[in-house]
Amino acid sequence: KAGVTQTPRYLIKTRGQQVTLSCSPISGHRSVSWYQQTPGQGLQFLFEYFSETQRNKGNFPGRFSGRQFSNSRSEMNVSTLELGDSALYLCASSPGLQAGYNEQFFGPGTRLTVL
Amino acid sequence: SQQGEEDPQALSIQEGENATMNCSYKTSINNLQWYRQNSGRGLVHLILIRSNEREKHSGRLRVTLDTSKKSSSLLITASRAADTASYFCATDARGAQKLVFGQGTRLTINP
Repeated sequence: KAGVTQTPRYLIKTRGQQVTLSCSPISGHRSVSWYQQTPGQGLQFLFEYFSETQRNKGNFPGRFSGRQFSNSRSEMNVSTLELGDSALYLCASSPGLQAGYNEQFFGPGTRLTVL
Repeated sequence: SQQGEEDPQALSIQEGENATMNCSYKTSINNLQWYRQNSGRGLVHLILIRSNEREKHSGRLRVTLDTSKKSSSLLITASRAADTASYFCATDARGAQKLVFGQGTRLTINP
């Protein structure tokens, strides 16, 4: 099976702009989670989508949003970008059929730089 | 705050030696997982240990879990240069409804 893919791989934006990142999970996986990774805060959970519904959410402001389509592909959007949003954004997929979090399959990430 | 705290933050050893990394966490868990990340790339799942398990092996990896001490350790035996990476523990804490990662251990294997 093909792995998790994320597009674009690199992105440069300026403060105040918005950005949309895309994630295609492994075929058959219905759960997609998003994480933000920064040197200072480490890996932080943004949200999880399962069958087009947000199932869990982390402690991020409303500028961070996401959605999932019927084919399980997911997008996350960050509006009104701030310098502190510069990070590696990782998505991870899993079958999602069991309660809780088991093995997650990560994509290569999107490196976002905000100038 | 992070559920998992890892120790040491950085570890440098010679090829062929064993590497041990530790993870402590704060609340009851359903499972604990270890991941590897090569420089700025995605994470790769290494091993998952459930709260009712004490030890698991996978190839050169050995993971232990002590729920009474809320700690886990990852042992990599006979290290190789390709093992150079950052290693993260992640906990599926009961009631947390998310996977929480530690800050990671940066492992360097010197040839």
